[in-house]
Amino acid sequence: QQQVKQSPQSLIVQKGGISIINCAYENTAFDYFPWYQQFPGKGPALLIAIRPDVSEKKEGRFTISFNKSAKQFSLHIMDSQPGDSATYFCAASGGSRLTFGEGTQLTVNP
Amino acid sequence: DGGITQSPKYLFRKEGQNVTLSCEQNLNHDAMYWYRQDPGQGLRLIYYSQIVNDFQKGDIAEGYSVSREKKESFPLTVTSAQKNPTAFYLCASSTTTGLGSNQPQHFGDGTRLSIL
Repeated sequence: QQQVKQSPQSLIVQKGGISIINCAYENTAFDYFPWYQQFPGKGPALLIAIRPDVSEKKEGRFTISFNKSAKQFSLHIMDSQPGDSATYFCAASGGSRLTFGEGTQLTVNP
Repeated sequence: DGGITQSPKYLFRKEGQNVTLSCEQNLNHDAMYWYRQDPGQGLRLIYYSQIVNDFQKGDIAEGYSVSREKKESFPLTVTSAQKNPTAFYLCASSTTTGLGSNQPQHFGDGTRLSIL
């Protein structure tokens, strides 16, 4: 089974700090890498996504860094806020299916 | 408002009973998906459908069945053969612009299924 490994499992950050979540994949055919944000009792919502032809994508406080040779990508949340406290999932796809990481529970303390 | 509606929000199943989870979308998306989420785990794909009257098994299809008679609807039946059905079930949809293309998946707010 194609896998996406995500770390850490949980993360606690102070308000204003930088949150960093890492993912690694195995299948070199993957060509689409989205990040989803999920609040308790809700479905995941697309946060930001990247394709392997670029090494970085930034949208507001959220940045994806992508390292194709290492088969790794990461999410950086700058100036983290208590409202960012949620579970974050990375995913990867080479077709119509998404393979998800295990998730990271982020807590931003005030 | 366009979106994905899952119902009910909470569902309880008795031993030996089949239950059906509803998923309706008004986004005019061709593809629809069912995922299972367990605590501390990522989303695992149960079934997906890229076109009406066609669907494929995902990674954990055993004990589940689906139908896709209408573009807007993709109900999931959890059968009595699924011995550990307690989980959060998520439905998603996406456009498809061609075989193998990737489009963002949009999720509903889930159904939480528990065993009585």
